[in-house]
Amino acid sequence: GIQVEQSPPDLILQEGANSTLRCNFSDSVNNLQWFHQNPWGQLINLFYIPSGTKQNGRLSATTVATERYSLLYISSSQTTDSGVYFCAASSSNTGKLIFGQGTTLQVKP
Amino acid sequence: DAGVIQSPRHEVTEMGQEVTLRCKPISGHDYLFWYRQTMMRGLELLIYFNNNVPIDDSGMPEDRFSAKMPNASFSTLKIQPSEPRDSAVYFCASRSGLTNNEQFFGPGTRLTVL
Repeated sequence: GIQVEQSPPDLILQEGANSTLRCNFSDSVNNLQWFHQNPWGQLINLFYIPSGTKQNGRLSATTVATERYSLLYISSSQTTDSGVYFCAASSSNTGKLIFGQGTTLQVKP
Repeated sequence: DAGVIQSPRHEVTEMGQEVTLRCKPISGHDYLFWYRQTMMRGLELLIYFNNNVPIDDSGMPEDRFSAKMPNASFSTLKIQPSEPRDSAVYFCASRSGLTNNEQFFGPGTRLTVL
């Protein structure tokens, strides 16, 4: 089945800095999602982005499906951005999501 | 919309007891997924349903685990008997087969088996 790898595993930033998180996947996808798991454990949908580019406030994401990777950009980071960011992908019509191991982000004031 | 609803949010039980986790998907969604999150294995799919029918249960770890979906608005995940290694956060998610493949997750149930 499809494999999903995220990098870096850990990231520490100073408030106000920008960052880029990467997600590589091993097969063509019909679903790719980015999530933020907050300190309370909730999985918050950030982007549904099997291809193309989307932006939502300080966050944006780009998926280059032909090269099998996706990037999540966080600009002007805030302490509330801290948490774990997951990339998840599906290559089947069922929509079964395979999750990466996550990137743990800590934003310091 | 209220989103995916799960109950209970926290469950503490003793080894050998039966545990039942509950999920209400988003109204109109015809796919329902159960995931488990552990430190060792990360987030992994246990089982999913389409139109209340179990389609793939290959992720269910053992016969101690069972899941049902008696109607479009309710699903249960049962563990009997529970063991300490079942301690994890269990998430339910749903999506609509009529739109795109985007899945929406509930808040999760944190299960601790002593």
